[in-house]
Amino acid sequence: SQQGEEDPQALSIQEGENATMNCSYKTSINNLQWYRQNSGRGLVHLILIRSNEREKHSGRLRVTLDTSKKSSSLLITASRAADTASYFCATATNQAGTALIFGKGTTLSVSS
Amino acid sequence: EPEVTQTPSHQVTQMGQEVILRCVPISNHLYFYWYRQILGQKVEFLVSFYNNEISEKSEIFDDQFSVERPDGSNFTLKIRSTKLEDSAMYFCASIGFRLGDEQFFGPGTRLTVL
Repeated sequence: SQQGEEDPQALSIQEGENATMNCSYKTSINNLQWYRQNSGRGLVHLILIRSNEREKHSGRLRVTLDTSKKSSSLLITASRAADTASYFCATATNQAGTALIFGKGTTLSVSS
Repeated sequence: EPEVTQTPSHQVTQMGQEVILRCVPISNHLYFYWYRQILGQKVEFLVSFYNNEISEKSEIFDDQFSVERPDGSNFTLKIRSTKLEDSAMYFCASIGFRLGDEQFFGPGTRLTVL
């Protein structure tokens, strides 16, 4: 079983539309983090949501967390071509150590 | 803004050779990590390091791998005898004062083993 699985695997939208990506996980978590990765580049931290939080906002990003369903969603509003990238969720468990467990990611393509 | 840096950005080596990947975490951060990402796959945890010792490691981190913090700023990952399947992007990350806070990642080192 995999921790932190995103869906869809790929998403294509037009500029100005909203993009929603979902992440499911299997074990208890301390927090869940979303990252962006442009092709062949590093990981850029977007937002962290703790297990006792339900929603967080950062600019055009909105993240929700439902611990009862073990799921999270990332919403990017009014998307831009520059948002084209892969998006990963990563969970930090409640166990000792805080290694992040990443999902396979959603590849977002925003066309102008 | 402080950032994690990694060198080199790209390393090409022959199978069986030793490589050392270098990272400079954010100053005053206390927890350090190495991850890798094989092309087209997800990011995988290798090892975490705190207080000058390994705090956690994955199954990937076998005897061929070692980490070191030789001074107050550098954090290195050594692969003793590289294999073809070690080809990947290697990311260093660090966390500040509290466990559970954001992990800041470096830009990565692309390792190619021929």
